[in-house]
Amino acid sequence: QKEVEQDPGPLSVPEGAIVSLNCTYSNSAFQYFMWYRQYSRKGPELLMYTYSSGNKEDGRFTAQVDKSSKYISLFIRDSQPSDSATYLCAMSAGELSFGAGTTVTVRA
Amino acid sequence: NAGVMQNPRHLVRRRGQEARLRCSPMKGHSHVYWYRQLPEEGLKFMVYLQKENIIDESGMPKERFSAEFPKEGPSILRIQQVVRGDSAAYFCASSPGTVLSNQPQHFGDGTRLSIL
Repeated sequence: QKEVEQDPGPLSVPEGAIVSLNCTYSNSAFQYFMWYRQYSRKGPELLMYTYSSGNKEDGRFTAQVDKSSKYISLFIRDSQPSDSATYLCAMSAGELSFGAGTTVTVRA
Repeated sequence: NAGVMQNPRHLVRRRGQEARLRCSPMKGHSHVYWYRQLPEEGLKFMVYLQKENIIDESGMPKERFSAEFPKEGPSILRIQQVVRGDSAAYFCASSPGTVLSNQPQHFGDGTRLSIL
């Protein structure tokens, strides 16, 4: 079993829809949780960073962490075609462990 | 990804040659991390370095791979006697401190290594 599980998708939604992404993990030592966005042929770009259970909002993005269930989510409201990318969850108890990434396409 | 500079962006080598990948961290960052990304897979941690020191190389293959981060100049990931299975995108990340100090990693745009 992988330490971090993430559905690779692909996920296709119409413009304006809410995009819902999630990851589960098995290592209860993970303390820090991140979401990165990666466009084709580019490096991962940090979107959200949190270390506590609960919600964190930044513009159209909301990150949710549930440590008791070992489950994290990222929601993108009012999705735009420019949100089309691969989204990677990552978590850390020292070194970063990444999910495989979910490819999202937002259709105009 | 402004700040973390990786070069070359693309590198082609024949089997048996050496590959050298370079990474200049963001200004003020003294911690460097190398990751490998294969198609359809997430990033896999390879090695974590501070200036002149290897802190954690638990993700590095035991043979042919080495990394350094000298006092002056960029961090170097070196792959000797490359094989076809080394073809991948190699990403470098940097941070001003460790993740445990609440400082996340910022990534470069990677070096895409192709082995003929």
